[in-house]
Amino acid sequence: EAGVTQSPTHLIKTRGQQATLRCSPISGHTSVYWYQQALGLGLQFLLWYDEGEERNRGNFPPRFSGRQFPNYSSELNVNALELEDSALYLCASSLIRRGPDTQYFGPGTRLTVL
Amino acid sequence: EDQVTQSPEALRLQEGESSSLNCSYTVSGLRGLFWYRQDPGKGPEFLFTLYSAGEEKEKERLKATLTKKESFLHITAPKPEDSATYLCAVQAGAGGTSYGKLTFGQGTILTVHP
Repeated sequence: EAGVTQSPTHLIKTRGQQATLRCSPISGHTSVYWYQQALGLGLQFLLWYDEGEERNRGNFPPRFSGRQFPNYSSELNVNALELEDSALYLCASSLIRRGPDTQYFGPGTRLTVL
Repeated sequence: EDQVTQSPEALRLQEGESSSLNCSYTVSGLRGLFWYRQDPGKGPEFLFTLYSAGEEKEKERLKATLTKKESFLHITAPKPEDSATYLCAVQAGAGGTSYGKLTFGQGTILTVHP
């Protein structure tokens, strides 16, 4: 069974540009989550999409946005990039059910802002 | 606000030297507690899900336990390939602002020397 996939692996942008990151969930999973892992800050929750709708959002500015497509894949957009946006961006997927929702992570996209 | 504290921050063991990692948490209505392993530059790899105090789960040299306030990850006779960062995360129940997201601790960096 294929796991969560993310593209690109690495992305280099300059300040003020826009970045688009993509994620394909595990087959059968309807929920996609985005997390940011910046150096020294641990994993921080960004966004949660389920069945095409945004269900929850972390404490990030509106220039972080995304969407989920009918095939459940997802896209994270970061506008007006700042140096502190440099981080590993992780996507996870799960199948919502009663009880805990185990989230399975992809390999991440390393975003570097120069 | 949900909080997760892991200790120690770093742990160095000799091969075969058993030990435990601690995860203390506060959450409004625990839906699940999760353990992940993360290698440098990669996405977290799922290890265990726990959701009921007293629950235990095992996988090879690892055993996770859960109480109402903390979880332990016991490592028995570790090998150098067990070296990684171990992350603990909690998920709160439905209805609050924390719904769906995982709140992570800072992790424990485990190094096992041959």
